[in-house]
Amino acid sequence: AQSVTQLDSQVPVFEEAPVELRCNYSSSVSVYLFWYVQYPNQGLQLLLKYLSGSTLVESINGFEAEFNKSQTSFHLRKPSVHISDTAEYFCAVSFRDDKIIFGKGTRLHILP
Amino acid sequence: DADVTQTPRNRITKTGKRIMLECSQTKGHDRMYWYRQDPGLGLRLIYYSFDVKDINKGEISDGYSVSRQAQAKFSLSLESAIPNQTALYFCATSPPAGRDGSTEAFFGQGTRLTVV
Repeated sequence: AQSVTQLDSQVPVFEEAPVELRCNYSSSVSVYLFWYVQYPNQGLQLLLKYLSGSTLVESINGFEAEFNKSQTSFHLRKPSVHISDTAEYFCAVSFRDDKIIFGKGTRLHILP
Repeated sequence: DADVTQTPRNRITKTGKRIMLECSQTKGHDRMYWYRQDPGLGLRLIYYSFDVKDINKGEISDGYSVSRQAQAKFSLSLESAIPNQTALYFCATSPPAGRDGSTEAFFGQGTRLTVV
């Protein structure tokens, strides 16, 4: 069965510092991986996704995630965070032609 | 206008009442989903539908039912609401898997339901 584990429920980080949000998945077959972001009082929106090809994927606002098949991980990183990055981040997995399963989320707190 | 619209946005109801949450989409997607979000538990799948005649239970379907009235409409019902169904509910849609097998979800703004 597919599952997604986000290891940290909350991550505090100072503004302009780097951050890594961890995500591990379990699946016996190939999967597609996503990171979604939920800003306060809003719905979820796609941040980036891995389908195939290059294992490093980037978003337009400076986030990147690297697919590591051997470690079954898809960690999200940003070299320098901004106060506007305050949000909850969800890792998700989808098997070809199947439903999308979400992790429990990680709240990113940016400290001034 | 939003591509995925949920109504109502907020609702307070009493224990034992029947309530329906509605979702409509203009994206033309076949697939629709209902999730509930609880603090610390992330999004949990309640029901999903891959076309009008296809309804599937998710991981927490007990106490809920759904109706897919048309490709664009997918309603979630709580037949007899109870306090532990207090949560933020999200509807989502997704297109069929592409050539590479991928798909992604597009979300509504959510319905905050409180059962007292």
